[in-house]
Amino acid sequence: GENVEQHPSTLSVQEGDSAVIKCTYSDSASNYFPWYKQELGKRPQLIIDIRSNVGEKKDQRIAVTLNKTAKHFSLHITETQPEDSAVYFCAASIRGLTGGGNKLTFGTGTQLKVEL
Amino acid sequence: DGGITQSPKYLFRKEGQNVTLSCEQNLNHDAMYWYRQDPGQGLRLIYYSQIVNDFQKGDIAEGYSVSREKKESFPLTVTSAQKNPTAFYLCASSIEGSGSPLHFGNGTRLTVT
Repeated sequence: GENVEQHPSTLSVQEGDSAVIKCTYSDSASNYFPWYKQELGKRPQLIIDIRSNVGEKKDQRIAVTLNKTAKHFSLHITETQPEDSAVYFCAASIRGLTGGGNKLTFGTGTQLKVEL
Repeated sequence: DGGITQSPKYLFRKEGQNVTLSCEQNLNHDAMYWYRQDPGQGLRLIYYSQIVNDFQKGDIAEGYSVSREKKESFPLTVTSAQKNPTAFYLCASSIEGSGSPLHFGNGTRLTVT
């Protein structure tokens, strides 16, 4: 089955700096890669996702890049703010797999702390 | 708030007892999922269902059971066979099967002593 590795497990940055979180996946058939943000005590919420037919996607201060050859994808947050502090999870699944459901495999999470 | 309701928020049980966690959604989503979250281990899939009266095992189904009698409801039973049941349980739903964003509920924290 799919295996997703995520690094680093913790990340501290100064407010205004950029943060980068990296994930690798094992199944070359995976073609859907979402990122979730989970604030303390709350549910995970989708912040951005990318499909394998594109290499990069941006949404304001957040961007995701995908390298299918190397089987890794990254989350980039620019101009970080204190409210960006949370746990971020990457995930991978195979879209369009009949009967396969949305069997997302998650990374182990990155605790991001944005310091003033 | 997201259309997925999990209850209760906190649940305490004695070892050896079965316990059922509730998950209801009003998003008209076909697919529903149960994940378990433990510190440092991310989210792991327990069971998922793409359609009423059908469900499949995820990666850690042992000691759990589910039912999907209604589109809106996907309850999870943690049985006494689950060796380490204390965890944070998250229910989710999506419009279709693979490749659709998951919408999560607020979770149930189960403590078994």
